Amino acid sequence: QKEVEQNSGPLSVPEGAIASLNCTYSDRGSQSFFWYRQYSGKSPELIMSIYSNGDKEDGRFTAQLNKASQYVSLLIRDSQPSDSATYLCAVISISGGSNYKLTFGKGTLLTVNP
Amino acid sequence: GAVVSQHPSWVICKSGTSVKIECRSLDFQATTMFWYRQFPKQSLMLMATSNEGSKATYEQGVEKDKFLINHASLTLSTLTVTSAHPEDSSFYICSAPLEVGYEQYFGPGTRLTVT
Repeated sequence: QKEVEQNSGPLSVPEGAIASLNCTYSDRGSQSFFWYRQYSGKSPELIMSIYSNGDKEDGRFTAQLNKASQYVSLLIRDSQPSDSATYLCAVISISGGSNYKLTFGKGTLLTVNP
Repeated sequence: GAVVSQHPSWVICKSGTSVKIECRSLDFQATTMFWYRQFPKQSLMLMATSNEGSKATYEQGVEKDKFLINHASLTLSTLTVTSAHPEDSSFYICSAPLEVGYEQYFGPGTRLTVT
């Protein structure tokens, strides 16, 4: 079974610090990787997508992908209390030919303390 | 970005009744949509893949006769929970990709409570 693993946390950082979230995946054939943010009681919101090895930066967020190590991470710089949420790592895998499936990790709860 | 809507946002129904949830892509066409279920403090679990003009593909353990999916147009998929029971109470969320294999955009979710 294709799996996505995340540290459930909670991860607590002070305001202004860097938050580092990590994720590993089991399907070596995966090509598409995503980070979603989910506030309590709300649906997931796409934060970052990354498809090739290396870093991708978007504002305060940086996603890092290492396919050889099957590892994806998300760095949040200058963390704000509004960043407090559960962060979900998601990986697209292909099953049964052309069927795409987005598999989620269980999420890491991030708390940014003022 | 892509916008996906869901209706209703919440619903309370009695045990044994059926509930229909709509998922619409507002500014793009989606040949494929996905239905997820999320129980409190758990991650999203994919229930089924909805394909426009063809039968849905259900994940292992999901009863296709209980969770009826219809994807009748490129902008609308519906999930009907038939003969709902209290254990079906959950947060149901749909998603759709702009392009298959790439990022999915989620609807706001429907909170179902079965009494």
